[in-house]
Amino acid sequence: QKEVEQDPGPLSVPEGAIVSLNCTYSNSAFQYFMWYRQYSRKGPELLMYTYSSGNKEDGRFTAQVDKSSKYISLFIRDSQPSDSATYLCAMSTKPSGKSTFGDGTTLTVKP
Amino acid sequence: GAVVSQHPSWVICKSGTSVKIECRSLDFQATTMFWYRQFPKQSLMLMATSNEGSKATYEQGVEKDKFLINHASLTLSTLTVTSAHPEDSSFYICSASPTSRSYEQYFGPGTRLTVT
Repeated sequence: QKEVEQDPGPLSVPEGAIVSLNCTYSNSAFQYFMWYRQYSRKGPELLMYTYSSGNKEDGRFTAQVDKSSKYISLFIRDSQPSDSATYLCAMSTKPSGKSTFGDGTTLTVKP
Repeated sequence: GAVVSQHPSWVICKSGTSVKIECRSLDFQATTMFWYRQFPKQSLMLMATSNEGSKATYEQGVEKDKFLINHASLTLSTLTVTSAHPEDSSFYICSASPTSRSYEQYFGPGTRLTVT
């Protein structure tokens, strides 16, 4: 079993929809949770970073962490075609430690 | 801010030759850099963690003699693929963590290596 499982997708939504991307994990030592966006043939871009449980909002993006359920989510409000990309969750046990990545969910937002 | 560059962005080499890929943090100092490999439609596979001034820590199953990593300064790490073979063809991505904000990782744009 993988340490980090991510909803495989692909996901296709109409413009303006609310998107929910999810990951579960098995290692209770994970404390730092990240979401990255990766466009085709590009390196990942850090979107959100959260420490421990709770919510964090940044513009149209909201990251949620539920450590009791070992479950994290990224919500995208008012999705735009430019949000079409692969989204990767990642987590680590310490701030400068290596991250364990999910396999990614490919999102397509249709105009 | 927090820009990471990689060079080259794309390289084709013949089987048996060596290829060096550079990873630079352009506007911050990075004590720690990571090297990943990514196959099409798959996630990132961590190859090694590179710390400035010390030997890299390789993940299980990664041949340290084949993938030579050097982190000579706080802004530069290099990955050399030695005696490359077609199965080494992949997308190689580096990331760097700012010394002052070590919990963040910033990724380079990646290097596509094709070995013929």
